[in-house]
Amino acid sequence: DAGVIQSPRHEVTEMGQEVTLRCKPISGHNSLFWYRQTMMRGLELLIYFNNNVPIDDSGMPEDRFSAKMPNASFSTLKIQPSEPRDSAVYFCASSPAGGPSNTQYFGPGTRLTVL
Amino acid sequence: QKEVEQDPGPLSVPEGAIVSLNCTYSNSAFQYFMWYRQYSRKGPELLMYTYSSGNKEDGRFTAQVDKSSKYISLFIRDSQPSDSATYLCAMSAPGYSSASKIIFGSGTRLSIRP
Repeated sequence: DAGVIQSPRHEVTEMGQEVTLRCKPISGHNSLFWYRQTMMRGLELLIYFNNNVPIDDSGMPEDRFSAKMPNASFSTLKIQPSEPRDSAVYFCASSPAGGPSNTQYFGPGTRLTVL
Repeated sequence: QKEVEQDPGPLSVPEGAIVSLNCTYSNSAFQYFMWYRQYSRKGPELLMYTYSSGNKEDGRFTAQVDKSSKYISLFIRDSQPSDSATYLCAMSAPGYSSASKIIFGSGTRLSIRP
């Protein structure tokens, strides 16, 4: 199994630019989660999808953040415009169907730096 | 008050020592309790999972849940340098769909000295 795939692994951009992070969940998993991790705030859930439908986006910090899941094998997290305080590691995780989603499989993360 | 509290450490112990990692929580609806391990520059990976109260053992690792005290623990016996990582406790309540939110602790950085 390839596991959860994220791209890019590293992104450096300037304030005000649009950033798009991508995720391919494990095949057959029906839940997908986007997290942000910083030293100060730890691991924060931004949004999660079940069967491609957004279930809870209460963790999305503000309107500059948006996430889509057009099909079962692909999701994006977009930040527009980006700000230095968005610098963090962004993780995507997926979870199999048929029960509580405690078994989440994380991708390697995208390390975002906004200058 | 955070829903899940975890001492961030860092915690440094000699090889072979018993390690105790702990979390407290405030939401009595939590039923699923997990420990994730995160190596440097990697994503978290599920280490242990317990439903409701009690103990669970897996090799050198033991997870304990005390719902009456809202307190969970992870014990590592005969600790090895390869156990050096950040350990995050996590918990969730039963959801109405197959997906439910997990709340993570802030993580405890553990270092095992050879």
